[in-house]
Parts: sequence; C-alpha cells; structure tokens
Amino acid sequence: RKEVEQDPGPFNVPEGATVAFNCTYSNSASQSFFWYRQDCRKEPKLLMSVYSSGNEDGRFTAQLNRASQYISLLIRDSKLSDSATYLCVALGNEKLTFGTGTRLTIIP
Amino acid sequence: GAVVSQHPSRVICKSGTSVKIECRSLDFQATTMFWYRQFPKKSLMLMATSNEGSKATYEQGVEKDKFLINHASLTLSTLTVTSAHPEDSSFYICSASLGQGVYGYTFGSGTRLTVV
Repeated sequence: RKEVEQDPGPFNVPEGATVAFNCTYSNSASQSFFWYRQDCRKEPKLLMSVYSSGNEDGRFTAQLNRASQYISLLIRDSKLSDSATYLCVALGNEKLTFGTGTRLTIIP
Repeated sequence: GAVVSQHPSRVICKSGTSVKIECRSLDFQATTMFWYRQFPKKSLMLMATSNEGSKATYEQGVEKDKFLINHASLTLSTLTVTSAHPEDSSFYICSASLGQGVYGYTFGSGTRLTVV
C-alpha cells in the first residue's frame, strides 16, 4: 500500500465550479501534511498546510482528519489558472512523502 | 526567499555515458539536500538524502553506485547518473532543507534527463 494515496483523476471541471480532492495516508507517525501544486514539467510548489482545525486561504480550504488519516482540499470558484496537478504530501522524520497527484483541468 | 538553482534543466545523453546534475543554494546554506525522481504521471520518489560533508543516505532500492551524490559544500550538491540507460530517463528534482519544517523545503526547477 502506498504511504500517501490520491485519486489520480483527471478532473475536468468547468470554470467557476467547486472541486474537492481527497487523500489518505497510511503512516500514523506522519507529523504534518500539505498540499503542493505542480505545473507540467515544473517543480512542485507549496500551496498550503493542512491542519485538523482546517485551513482556509482565499478560495482554497484544506482539512485534516487524523482519526481516519484523511486529508482534503477544496477549491471554490475555480479559475483557468488552477489547472495543475495537486500533490498531497506527508512530512515525517524530516522527509516529505508525495502522493501521485491529482490532475485538474479547468474548462472555459 | 531561499532559492535553489538546479542545472541543467534538460539533458540528452547516450547510453553508457554519465550525467552530472547540480543543485546550488543561492542565498542560504543547505546542510541537507534531497534528491527525487519523477516518472511521467507518477509521484516524486525520494532517492537519497545528502548531508554536507558526509555520505548520502539512499532509499531502499536506489543503487548508490549508480546514482552518485556528493555534497562537498553547504551550497552545492551533485547527483551523477553513471553509465546511464534509457530506463534512467526521468525528471530529477533536488530540494534543500532549511530546518524550518515544510516551509524550509525549497525545490530546484528540475532536470529532465533523456537517455538515448
């Protein structure tokens, strides 16, 4: 079983819609969780951290459920520029473990 | 913010040759650097952790003699793919840690290696 699992998609969503991504992790010792964004052929870039209390940054909301080892990302009012691959990431023992990513395409 | 410069961004080499990829921290000292590889539509897989002045720690299944890592200074880590084969073709990315949790992980721009 992969340490961090995501639905690979692709998700094709009309502009303005709300889209939700899910992620599960298997290592209960993981300390912190994050969502990264990766554009095609580029390096991943930190999008936001994920907390049990929830974390909102503009149109983006991330949530962590430690009991079920589940992480989510919600994007509201999606923009064309949101098209990218979204990577769920767990941090433990100073190492980042990446999920396979969920490919999102926003359709005009 | 902290910047890691990685080059080359793209390289094509013949089978059997060796390729060196460099990562430099431009405005900070990177005690620890990480090397990842990513196959198309796959996740980033950690290959090794390199610490300045000591031997790199390789992840299970990564051949240390195949992927030579040198971290001789606080601002430079190199990955050399030796005797490259077509199956080594991949996207290689380095990352440096500032020791500040995830906010201290900054990534290089990646190197796309194609072995023909």
